[in-house]
Order: sequence, then structure tokens, then C-alpha cells
Amino acid sequence: AQKITQTQPGMFVQEKEAVTLDCTYDTSDQSYGLFWYKQPSSGEMIFLIYQGSYDEQNATEGRYSLNFQKARKSANLVISASQLGDSAMYFCAMRERRDSNYQLIWGAGTKLIIKP
Amino acid sequence: KAGVTQTPRYLIKTRGQQVTLSCSPISGHRSVSWYQQTPGQGLQFLFEYFSETQRNKGNFPGRFSGRQFSNSRSEMNVSTLELGDSALYLCASLAGGGSYNEQFFGPGTRLTVL
Repeated sequence: AQKITQTQPGMFVQEKEAVTLDCTYDTSDQSYGLFWYKQPSSGEMIFLIYQGSYDEQNATEGRYSLNFQKARKSANLVISASQLGDSAMYFCAMRERRDSNYQLIWGAGTKLIIKP
Repeated sequence: KAGVTQTPRYLIKTRGQQVTLSCSPISGHRSVSWYQQTPGQGLQFLFEYFSETQRNKGNFPGRFSGRQFSNSRSEMNVSTLELGDSALYLCASLAGGGSYNEQFFGPGTRLTVL
């Protein structure tokens, strides 16, 4: 079963507009973490933002915020005032406990293209 | 502070050969994880090393192996290469302790198997 679902394979957004990238997850753990990464065409994976399952407030990092709705198992990334440099693949990931260790489970990604 | 480095950045091999990829984590980081990224399967976890011991392993065949040295540098090896092994191989480092709050990735090694 898909653990992390990103329903938007691709998105086009006008520069300076806000954009929301969807992510839903599935876990029976009470303690877990949710991450968003950005991957430009160069290939490097860039950490954007993290939300812990017990965090009561939505995480924010500059222009990035995470809209965490625990009951709906949703962790959408919001980018305010998009810029051309935001064009990239965006991945949602969940830290899940496997045996006594942790693994990151990844979504399929959303390709975001910012139009000038 | 230098970031995660991976060498080589690009590699072309033929079926049946073997390959070794290297990853140097951020100074002070003791954990190194390896991922395979392909268009068809997305990002898949290969294994994680912490203090020279494999701490975690994904669902890959035994042709994929790794190790970590005392300076935390890690290598992964793929033997008897198959066409399907063509992928971007990413490594990530973190300080350790089981927390993935800040997992830093290298630029990746792009492997092409002909």
C-alpha cells in the first residue's frame, strides 16, 4: 500500500503566486516525522521543512510552511510568493520506524514549474 | 563546513561489471544512508551505516552492498550490474541518534549501465 501519496505529478504556477503541493500519508505509528525536499535538475536533494507528529503548530521556514492536518493525514507544502528558482521536483517523505530503526519513505514527487 | 560529497558524479558501466561509489558525510556526522532514484521506482532506501555498522537495510538484492570506514566515509558496491541498476544514487548524512530532522544529501552519482 502506498504510504506517501503526492497526487500532483506536475504543476505550473505563475511567478509570485502562492502554491500548495499536496501530500497524504498512511501510518499506524503515533510518533512519526514528515519532510519536504526539493530536487533541482542538478540532482541534489535539498531539505526544506520538517513536521513532527506531536508538533502542535505548523512548521515554517522562510517562504515554506507545512499545512499539517493530522486527522486527515495530510502534510501539504505551501510556498508563498513563488520564484523562478523554485522550479524543481518536490518530494514528501515520512520517517517511519522499522524494527528498532527509522527509514524515510518517499512519495513519487511533484514537478513544479514556475512561469515568468 | 563542507557538505556531503559523492564521487564519481557520473559513471558508465556495462552489464556484468561491478561498481563502487563513494560518499563522504559532513564532518562530525556518523550516519550515512544510501538511496537509489529511478524514474520508474522513485526514491528507494538501500541501507544506512552508523559507526561502521549497517543499522538499516532496504529491500535490495545482495548484489548491493556497502561499508563505512572509521572516518565515516562510506562506499556502496554493486556487483554484476544489470540495465535496471541505471539510476541516480544519493547518499545522505546526519549526525546520528535516529533523528532525521536534518538529513543532508550529496549531489548524487549518476550511473548508466549499457
